Amino acid sequence: ETGVTQTPRHLVMGMTNKKSLKCEQHLGHNAMYWYKQSAKKPLELMFVYNFKEQTENNSVPSRFSPECPNSSHLFLHLHTLQPEDSALYLCASSQDRTLQETQYFGPGTRLLVL
Amino acid sequence: RKEVEQDPGPFNVPEGATVAFNCTYSNSASQSFFWYRQDCRKEPKLLMSVYSSGNEDGRFTAQLNRASQYISLLIRDSKLSDSATYLCVVIGDRGSTLGRLYFGRGTQLTVWP
Repeated sequence: ETGVTQTPRHLVMGMTNKKSLKCEQHLGHNAMYWYKQSAKKPLELMFVYNFKEQTENNSVPSRFSPECPNSSHLFLHLHTLQPEDSALYLCASSQDRTLQETQYFGPGTRLLVL
Repeated sequence: RKEVEQDPGPFNVPEGATVAFNCTYSNSASQSFFWYRQDCRKEPKLLMSVYSSGNEDGRFTAQLNRASQYISLLIRDSKLSDSATYLCVVIGDRGSTLGRLYFGRGTQLTVWP
């Protein structure tokens, strides 16, 4: 399935590196989300964008910086991460904020911070 | 208290078995409930919605008990392909939780031949 794509699929970075995760949706949706999934923990919502506007920042540290240039693309810029930030980062989209139960997820980026 | 709690399992059952998962939620006013499925090293996908009257989709039956604040998923005649983690999802209904999805940790199911 190619509805929501994410790159890279795997990423290893040092704590001083700067990297970006990219998400693209081809579904014509207007809402996009970043989630973090750590082992043995539930999915944690990080950011929500609705019609390119950030509507939610779930107390995420500033070393994570989202960017949504248009409704189809979402980025997560990473800077000076910590080893505990190692996780699976999932992007999702839905038609809009009110229909977010039908979210479509991308395959995720598996991040390892050394 | 966590918004959504699930027994993480794992549940290991033979093919053809019936298995049931429960999930409890803390916000009594929550209105929308879902089950998602996540295969190993894959993304979550919506499995089915959960309605007060209960709903069935083939071998899968979802039930909602508002009085006890729990949601259940019943899988009949288990198949090998049912092996996955099942995520309980609740949508918050007020204030800062309005419209936000809350995911449980997931219940891991393995169906063996």
